[in-house]
Amino acid sequence: AQTVTQSQPEMSVQEAETVTLSCTYDTSENNYYLFWYKQPPSRQMILVIRQEAYKQQNATENRFSVNFQKAAKSFSLKISDSQLGDTAMYFCAFMKRVSWQGGSEKLVFGKGTKLTVNP
Amino acid sequence: EAGVAQSPRYKIIEKRQSVAFWCNPISGHATLYWYQQILGQGPKLLIQFQNNGVVDDSQLPKDRFSAERLKGVDSTLKIQPAKLEDSAVYLCASSPTGRVPNQPQHFGDGTRLSIL
Repeated sequence: AQTVTQSQPEMSVQEAETVTLSCTYDTSENNYYLFWYKQPPSRQMILVIRQEAYKQQNATENRFSVNFQKAAKSFSLKISDSQLGDTAMYFCAFMKRVSWQGGSEKLVFGKGTKLTVNP
Repeated sequence: EAGVAQSPRYKIIEKRQSVAFWCNPISGHATLYWYQQILGQGPKLLIQFQNNGVVDDSQLPKDRFSAERLKGVDSTLKIQPAKLEDSAVYLCASSPTGRVPNQPQHFGDGTRLSIL
């Protein structure tokens, strides 16, 4: 079974600064995906960024980037130029890769990190 | 494209009562998931459907929870009878299908259930 650990229950950052959220995971799988999802207060969960484990290059999406260390089973999220709208719960998630057409696996989530961006 | 629709947004019931939640996935998404998110925790999968067949229900408490997906579109999740520990947000998600597997999941707003 896979497990995902987020060791920082809460973090805060000043607007325009950079913050890094940590995530470690445990799996015996070799092919998988890692995700960061954002859940604003009372709003729906949205995908921030996705990393494919077989790709060595770290994924980036505008102000969001990851540091993927496969051997260490570490997957951190860096938010640059933090904005007030980045205030949310951030969840790290694991998904096993499947090869069958049209298929997808469940997400295994960590407990989340509550990020507050201060003005 | 319309997102994943869920109703109701909030529900308050007393323990031992029954409750049902409804989910309409994004059009064309064959895979549908129900997750339970207890306060302070990440979502946990309850059940996964591929069209109207169950792929994974290993963490569904089958003595009180049931789910169905008629015609491979809408889905309902039922709890009967509810217990205090069922207080949570119930999230529905769907993912597209096609020749490319492993597509990201899209989530609805969730139903917040409170048991008194």
